[in-house]
Amino acid sequence: QVQLQQWGAGLLKPSETLSLTCAVYDASFNGYFWNWIRQPPGKGLEWIGEINDSGSTNYNPSLKSRVTISVDTSKKHVSLKLSSVTAADTAVYYCAGRIVGVQRVDHWGQGTLVTISS
Amino acid sequence: QSALTQPRSVSGSPGQSVTISCTGSSSDVGGYDFVSWYQQHPGKAPKVMIYDVDKRPSGVPDRFSGSKSGNTASLTISGLEAEDEADYYCCSYAGRYTFRIFGGGTKVTVL
Repeated sequence: QVQLQQWGAGLLKPSETLSLTCAVYDASFNGYFWNWIRQPPGKGLEWIGEINDSGSTNYNPSLKSRVTISVDTSKKHVSLKLSSVTAADTAVYYCAGRIVGVQRVDHWGQGTLVTISS
Repeated sequence: QSALTQPRSVSGSPGQSVTISCTGSSSDVGGYDFVSWYQQHPGKAPKVMIYDVDKRPSGVPDRFSGSKSGNTASLTISGLEAEDEADYYCCSYAGRYTFRIFGGGTKVTVL
């Protein structure tokens, strides 16, 4: 059973950089695209982007200029960085995995609430 | 690109059927057979219920079914049960630039 455990700072000030990390357990790191998806409080899901073990990425065009997703295959870690945050970036951020070639997100982390406030 | 359009809420009594629509465009829902549906209970991570328009992952009850016509996909829950009360989100592949887009979500209430 694939397990995703994520962590990172939960409170940031406007203009700072959001940084989250997700560790993958009990699964091959290869053969997956590892996604970041967020959900503002009381609102719907928004796809941020994804990366595979080779470092190939896909990003949401509306966030692309501020987002960097990276992998450390030796640690089976996936990282998200979102720069120049504002209050609109306040959300629960999920790490999630889908098998390459399958348009279905099967595995989800526990979610991390990140609040942007001065 | 705007989110896919879903009704904000639907409701039904136990045993009844409810259908949730998800309307997009020819660039997403209508252009690819890669629509998925996610169930989310309060405070929990989403769970995939349908993928590739009408396929059910292992373990998902066959009360859940999906379909698509033109630019609109639908999720039907037959034989509604109390545990089906949750938020449901559609999601579509949207091409190599936009890539993936979600619907705004629908709250299903079991009366």
